[in-house]
Amino acid sequence: LAKTTQPISMDSYEGQEVNITCSHNNIATNDYITWYQQFPSQGPRFIIQGYKTKVTNEVASLFIPADRKSSTLSLPRVSLSDTAVYYCLVMNRDDKIIFGKGTRLHILP
Amino acid sequence: DAGVIQSPRHEVTEMGQEVTLRCKPISGHNSLFWYRQTMMRGLELLIYFNNNVPIDDSGMPEDRFSAKMPNASFSTLKIQPSEPRDSAVYFCASSLSRGYNEQFFGPGTRLTVL
Repeated sequence: LAKTTQPISMDSYEGQEVNITCSHNNIATNDYITWYQQFPSQGPRFIIQGYKTKVTNEVASLFIPADRKSSTLSLPRVSLSDTAVYYCLVMNRDDKIIFGKGTRLHILP
Repeated sequence: DAGVIQSPRHEVTEMGQEVTLRCKPISGHNSLFWYRQTMMRGLELLIYFNNNVPIDDSGMPEDRFSAKMPNASFSTLKIQPSEPRDSAVYFCASSLSRGYNEQFFGPGTRLTVL
């Protein structure tokens, strides 16, 4: 089961692009990279998932280099409502899911 | 679909009492997960079911905790007897299948054991 390492916390300002990087040096061939977002007093919510290169949806982009040992979640033009904890997970279809502590993102006005 | 439904949303009980948390997964989802979240330990997976069968309960803290899934639309997490250190938010989640498939979380049950 690949371990992930991500910053404990980050601050940014409204309107900025925020990039959160996650390290997963031991990622296996059949592992996928998934990011979840958790607002206070709510359960986590799936944001994006990818295997390699770049994935984009209406919420975020996920950049994965060729070696797949890291990934970067990119949030374009953040607002105050993007203040949340962001979890990076690496798993395959048979893995038990481990959320870890995540990155606490605080958006300032 | 109403999403994952959990009840109660809040529970306050005294040490030694039995606590039962309930979850209704999204219809058609085959996997169900129970998590516990505290400030100190973060979000921990307690147990998960696939097609109503417990697959991995290694996260269940001790014998005081038990979980059942009698059918595809209902699961319970029971703590007997409860202790103050069990105070946490308990989340239930469901997904189409286990592994990397997207999990949908319920609103959680905030448990306080006095």
